[in-house]
Amino acid sequence: QQPVQSPQAVILREGEDAVINCSSSKALYSVHWYRQKHGEAPVFLMILLKGGEQKGHEKISASFNEKKQQSSLYLTASQLSYSGTYFCGTLDRGSTLGRLYFGRGTQLTVWP
Amino acid sequence: DVKVTQSSRYLVKRTGEKVFLECVQDMDHENMFWYRQDPGLGLRLIYFSYDVKMKEKGDIPEGYSVSREKKERFSLILESASTNQTSMYLCASSLGASGGPRPYFGPGTRLTVL
Repeated sequence: QQPVQSPQAVILREGEDAVINCSSSKALYSVHWYRQKHGEAPVFLMILLKGGEQKGHEKISASFNEKKQQSSLYLTASQLSYSGTYFCGTLDRGSTLGRLYFGRGTQLTVWP
Repeated sequence: DVKVTQSSRYLVKRTGEKVFLECVQDMDHENMFWYRQDPGLGLRLIYFSYDVKMKEKGDIPEGYSVSREKKERFSLILESASTNQTSMYLCASSLGASGGPRPYFGPGTRLTVL
């Protein structure tokens, strides 16, 4: 039930784009995206609740393909501040307890 | 503003000690969670609680217990700490499932067991 994230790590130059994928073997109710800096708690980026939904947060956006049970996070024109580990969390459809399953994370490093 | 607080940011304990990690939330959330985070493994759920005095095992409950006597407080207990419990521990809370719950995380407790 733990979603699978890919890639495990990404190294970018400032201004480059990246895509992080998250896929589940279960039908999903929602997908959550978090970013975590070293030694800090995860910071909420966005939640996607409907199939096909796309949400944006500055130059970071995400899509949710309910049919394929997957979500993608898009980082456009990356900045140094985007460095960190990105996690997706999934809530299974039919879950009655609100429990999220988190992926193992994607480590993003942005160089000047 | 939602606040989830954890009793300590850093903790150092000896093998065999009983360890208490406390978590308090101020948003009247039904759900509370304890996660453990280790490099390359992501966030793994230890226990969660969906109501006072109610608890459910997560994926890695062995060696841990929990207590939720009041809605705002969720405690993680290491009955006899061992070195393999050295880790970052994160507490989170969220509304009940019907709200499309977004977990709010505390700052984390980095526990070292010597």
